[in-house]
Amino acid sequence: KNEVEQSPQNLTAQEGEFITINCSYSVGISALHWLQQHPGGGIVSLFMLSSGKKKHGRLIATINIQEKHSSLHITASHPRDSAVYICAVRLHYGGSQGNLIFGKGTKLSVKP
Amino acid sequence: NAGVTQTPKFQVLKTGQSMTLQCAQDMNHNSMYWYRQDPGMGLRLIYYSASEGTTDKGEVPNGYNVSRLNKREFSLRLESAAPSQTSVYFCASSEEYVGSPLHFGNGTRLTVT
Repeated sequence: KNEVEQSPQNLTAQEGEFITINCSYSVGISALHWLQQHPGGGIVSLFMLSSGKKKHGRLIATINIQEKHSSLHITASHPRDSAVYICAVRLHYGGSQGNLIFGKGTKLSVKP
Repeated sequence: NAGVTQTPKFQVLKTGQSMTLQCAQDMNHNSMYWYRQDPGMGLRLIYYSASEGTTDKGEVPNGYNVSRLNKREFSLRLESAAPSQTSVYFCASSEEYVGSPLHFGNGTRLTVT
């Protein structure tokens, strides 16, 4: 059983569309990360959430701790948003970030 | 502003050969990590180091060794490469506090034939 599930696995959108990527987890966590992996392979951190909502430019991330669910929204999507978006959770029992569990990623393609 | 530098970018090995992947960070982070990424799977932790001189096994440590040479550098060694180790390898670093962002290297694409 995967402890971190992302949906959808693949997503194709038209430029300008509002996009939602979901992440559900089955364990107690202390933090949740959203990462972006570019087509060239590089990975960058987008957000860290432990509660509520964060916004950066056209990206919005929310988390509902009770429901064990997080969403990443992209407003006014653009072809340069095409990437794989990865959810990762830090387990609640602490320790270093060696106990991050990663989802398999959602591959987003935004068509012009 | 180099961040996390990982070398090489590509490598092809024959079964049984050895190699070392190098990683260095210039952000003064204590924590460093090695992950592998395989098709259809999430990133999986191979080893991590919470500070200079300490290392711990992650989810998939078999077939690998690591060395935290100093605060900047964390290397991953394959002593006898196997085709199952064909993967993309990422080094990352972070500060220790909960939720601190991970900073990734650009990855090494390794093929073992």
